[in-house]
Amino acid sequence: KQEVTQIPAALSVPEGENLVLNCSFTDSAIYNLQWFRQDPGKGLTSLLLIQSSQREQTSGRLNASLDKSSGRSTLYIAASQPGDSATYLCAGRSNDYKLSFGAGTTVTVRA
Amino acid sequence: SQTIHQWPATLVQPVGSPLSLECTVEGTSNPNLYWYRQAAGRGLQLLFYSVGIGQISSEVPQNLSASRPQDRQFILSSKKLLLSDSGFYLCAWARTLYGYTFGSGTRLTVV
Repeated sequence: KQEVTQIPAALSVPEGENLVLNCSFTDSAIYNLQWFRQDPGKGLTSLLLIQSSQREQTSGRLNASLDKSSGRSTLYIAASQPGDSATYLCAGRSNDYKLSFGAGTTVTVRA
Repeated sequence: SQTIHQWPATLVQPVGSPLSLECTVEGTSNPNLYWYRQAAGRGLQLLFYSVGIGQISSEVPQNLSASRPQDRQFILSSKKLLLSDSGFYLCAWARTLYGYTFGSGTRLTVV
């Protein structure tokens, strides 16, 4: 069974600082890994999807890497803004169609 | 483009009452469909998933059931709600090579 861990659980940074969010998973036979954003009381918004054959994905200020051999993924957010404040979740999909979630990292960007 | 609809957005139900939450997907065919629950302060728990009409897999023993009467419709039900059924329920769909797309969620409070 895929186990996903996210560190740290919470992060507070001043505006403009780069954010680094870590995710680790136990099953290296991962099908793909997805990063989501969740605002309080809202659903999940997909940020980036990395297939198992890929090393990284980029979208604007966001960059996510995937290292299957070490069981790690990292989400980088450049030049953080107060609007980036949210909970970020990583989720790994195994070949059994199921998505396993980490507990999330709650980010606060201080203006 | 693909969209996912989930309703109602919020629901307050007394203990012992029935439940029916509906989720529909547009713009795709034969998707995998999922129900997740997010309890307060906890991560996302997979409740049910379906790879086709009438095919339901349950992840945890519980007071809930799911049905898929049509290709793009997924229903979460209960005959008698418990206080412990309170939470944020999320429907999602996925297809091969695509990531997961989540609905906006239903906040259920059992009183």
